[in-house]
Amino acid sequence: RKEVEQDPGPFNVPEGATVAFNCTYSNSASQSFFWYRQDCRKEPKLLMSVYSSGNEDGRFTAQLNRASQYISLLIRDSKLSDSATYLCVFRGGGADGLTFGKGTHLIIQP
Amino acid sequence: GAGVSQSPSNKVTEKGKDVELRCDPISGHTALYWYRQSLGQGLEFLIYFQGNSAPDKSGLPSDRFSAERTGGSVSTLTIQRTQQEDSAVYLCASSPGIGDTQYFGPGTRLTVL
Repeated sequence: RKEVEQDPGPFNVPEGATVAFNCTYSNSASQSFFWYRQDCRKEPKLLMSVYSSGNEDGRFTAQLNRASQYISLLIRDSKLSDSATYLCVFRGGGADGLTFGKGTHLIIQP
Repeated sequence: GAGVSQSPSNKVTEKGKDVELRCDPISGHTALYWYRQSLGQGLEFLIYFQGNSAPDKSGLPSDRFSAERTGGSVSTLTIQRTQQEDSAVYLCASSPGIGDTQYFGPGTRLTVL
């Protein structure tokens, strides 16, 4: 099983819709979880950390399910500017750096 | 304030040549990380520094890769005798300390012909 698995997409979603995607991880010792966003030919930028209790930041909601070893990201009222690749990221379990998934490509259509 | 900067932004080299990539972390950040992103692949962690020390070099792809950091600031990643499979975007990140949020630089796009 790969360390991090994400559906690569693309997810084509109309503007204003709600979209959600998951990411599964194999290392049960993983300690910290994040969603990063990467625009085309740009560096990754932290979108939000993911906490066990679930957390919300405006239109974005992240959740962690340790028992099933996945994290999720929900985007409500999607905007054209949400179009990007969303990277599932974790740290821990012996790795000093971050471990990245290959990303889910999201396209918001007008 | 200023973010992480990297130079050069693009580098085209011939197979077999050596290249040196530079990273300037955010001022005051003690931790510095190198990653690479190959076409169609996820980011791959290479090495990190806590201060000037790199505790674990096992993430470097081969012995042609080396990295150093001096003065707790600037870091260089050197690739000797470059191969075509080294072509990738090399990203540097820094954080205030290990375990803190990492901030990425714009990357160096390396093309080995």
